[in-house]
Amino acid sequence: KAGVTQTPRYLIKTRGQQVTLSCSPISGHRSVSWYQQTPGQGLQFLFEYFSETQRNKGNFPGRFSGRQFSNSRSEMNVSTLELGDSALYLCASSSSGSETQYFGPGTRLLVL
Amino acid sequence: GQNIDQPTEMTATEGAIVQINCTYQTSGFNGLFWYQQHAGEAPTFLSYNVLDGLEEKGRFSSFLSRSKGYSYLLLKELQMKDSASYLCAVRDRRATGTALIFGKGTTLSVSS
Repeated sequence: KAGVTQTPRYLIKTRGQQVTLSCSPISGHRSVSWYQQTPGQGLQFLFEYFSETQRNKGNFPGRFSGRQFSNSRSEMNVSTLELGDSALYLCASSSSGSETQYFGPGTRLLVL
Repeated sequence: GQNIDQPTEMTATEGAIVQINCTYQTSGFNGLFWYQQHAGEAPTFLSYNVLDGLEEKGRFSSFLSRSKGYSYLLLKELQMKDSASYLCAVRDRRATGTALIFGKGTTLSVSS
């Protein structure tokens, strides 16, 4: 079974731009969570989607948004990028009834 | 609020045993996870504890005491490939879904 995939793997943007990141969960997994990882703050929860609905949301500004499609693929969008948004963005999927999340390789975003 | 504490760095030698501690404070507890993350890679699932006691899985064991808000990850017969960051994460009972709150990780360096 293929793992969680994320595209693109690397991205360079400038302040003020917006970015869209994509995540394809493991086949059959309906829950997709997004995390931001930085050296200073570690892994921080952004939001979780299940069956196309946002089920949980972390403490991030409204510039961070996401959605999930009927095939469980998910996208997250960051608008009006700031230097502090430079981070590794990780997506994780899990199946219904399972506690375990499986992470993708991440998208490394650099904001200049 | 929620708070997860773990040591920032640890060092050990090949063949040794190392214990990585994690203490947590959460208004609701619904499980504790340990993940391993090698530099530049995605976190990979190691263990899950929701009841008090020890869970053993090969060279790795994880212990949980809910009354003390305490867990540890025990790594036996250390190998060089065990050099990685070890992340402790807690699932909040208030949250529906699978949102995890992560500690900042413990970087373990194994030397020969």
